[in-house]
Amino acid sequence: DAGITQSPRHKVTETGTPVTLRCHQTENHRYMYWYRQDPGHGLRLIHYSYGVKDTDKGEVSDGYSVSRSKTEDFLLTLESATSSQTSVYFCAISAGTSGGDTDTQYFGPGTRLTVL
Amino acid sequence: DAKTTQPPSMDCAEGRAANLPCNHSTISGNEYVYWYRQIHSQGPQYIIHGLKNNETNEMASLIITEDRKSSTLILPHATLRDTAVYYCIVRVRGGRYGQNFVFGPGTRLSVLP
Repeated sequence: DAGITQSPRHKVTETGTPVTLRCHQTENHRYMYWYRQDPGHGLRLIHYSYGVKDTDKGEVSDGYSVSRSKTEDFLLTLESATSSQTSVYFCAISAGTSGGDTDTQYFGPGTRLTVL
Repeated sequence: DAKTTQPPSMDCAEGRAANLPCNHSTISGNEYVYWYRQIHSQGPQYIIHGLKNNETNEMASLIITEDRKSSTLILPHATLRDTAVYYCIVRVRGGRYGQNFVFGPGTRLSVLP
């Protein structure tokens, strides 16, 4: 299994509070991703990073920000949590070497976030 | 939108081969077919991928038709622990890294004792 951990694994918070989720990898992979998973929507990409301090938006980035100050950590922040952000959040990593079949993504165990 | 079509659910008897089909009729020449699975509420687990040749690893075999418009994931001897949702994903050509994987609803495989 890829060395990916997520913290916290479970969190309950109230609307309007800031929340930060952490993804930590020990693989020294270049690319890191945040997805959310909701019933009826599958996994949707929120943000991703292609290197330290290099990030970009995915398809559902509104209301989220990310930071990557070192290779091993990728943080997802909800500045002011809303009930619509109740979801399961997965982090993924990939080596991302050029082109073809070397960018297989490996997923972490997930964080279950409930916003009341 | 997902570029693949999978049956929503399938059953398989324990110990038998599980054959999970996937249709990707609009696949482009340089796009790979990936398979992942998700057991209960765990993170998706990578299984296998291929471009045009059949592939086999310790978990499964991937059979891609000659025209590449469909593929089949084969779990040779299914166990109860293989009960999961299986996702067939086509890696979109080009675009940015990180936007290449689109997960559809997948196939819910139930392995029955």
